[in-house]
Amino acid sequence: LAKTTQPISMDSYEGQEVNITCSHNNIATNDYITWYQQFPSQGPRFIIQGYKTKVTNEVASLFIPADRKSSTLSLPRVSLSDTAVYYCLVGDIRNSGGYQKVTFGIGTKLQVIP
Amino acid sequence: DADVTQTPRNRITKTGKRIMLECSQTKGHDRMYWYRQDPGLGLRLIYYSFDVKDINKGEISDGYSVSRQAQAKFSLSLESAIPNQTALYFCATSAATPAGISFQETQYFGPGTRLLVL
Repeated sequence: LAKTTQPISMDSYEGQEVNITCSHNNIATNDYITWYQQFPSQGPRFIIQGYKTKVTNEVASLFIPADRKSSTLSLPRVSLSDTAVYYCLVGDIRNSGGYQKVTFGIGTKLQVIP
Repeated sequence: DADVTQTPRNRITKTGKRIMLECSQTKGHDRMYWYRQDPGLGLRLIYYSFDVKDINKGEISDGYSVSRQAQAKFSLSLESAIPNQTALYFCATSAATPAGISFQETQYFGPGTRLLVL
């Protein structure tokens, strides 16, 4: 089971870049890394997904080192609306047999300060 | 996401009662999931289904059962509700897209059902 470890909480000022690191020392060869965002009383929302190296989309970047034992979600120039809980999800998403081991974890509560 | 609906949105029930939470999606996805969320524990997977004939237990399936009535519908039942099943329940759907050696899966979550078991 690719258990994940994230900081419980982080604070950042508006306009700064925020980096949230997730440790997954037991990541398996077939596991993918996915990040979700959740606002209070809402379901999580997909941010970004990757397998190795760097992935970038219009919202964030995901950095994955060669050993894949950690990953870093980077949010450029955060605003107050980015205040949310961020989850790192690791597992084999390709088939139903592998998915059983996918876990969300507790997440990182990001507070953006004016 | 409005394409994933859950009913009811709130439910209060008593210990021992059987209840059903329903989920419907209009996204045409094959994969559907049920999660529960408790304060301080994040989201935990209860059951998931990758197509109509595929049902799998997740991390915490004891005390729950599911039914995949159609591609678009996935219901969760508590056969005999107990107080520690009080939680926020989310349904999600996803489509998986192989892309060479890569893979993409994005889950879309419903608004949640807040369940209180007395």
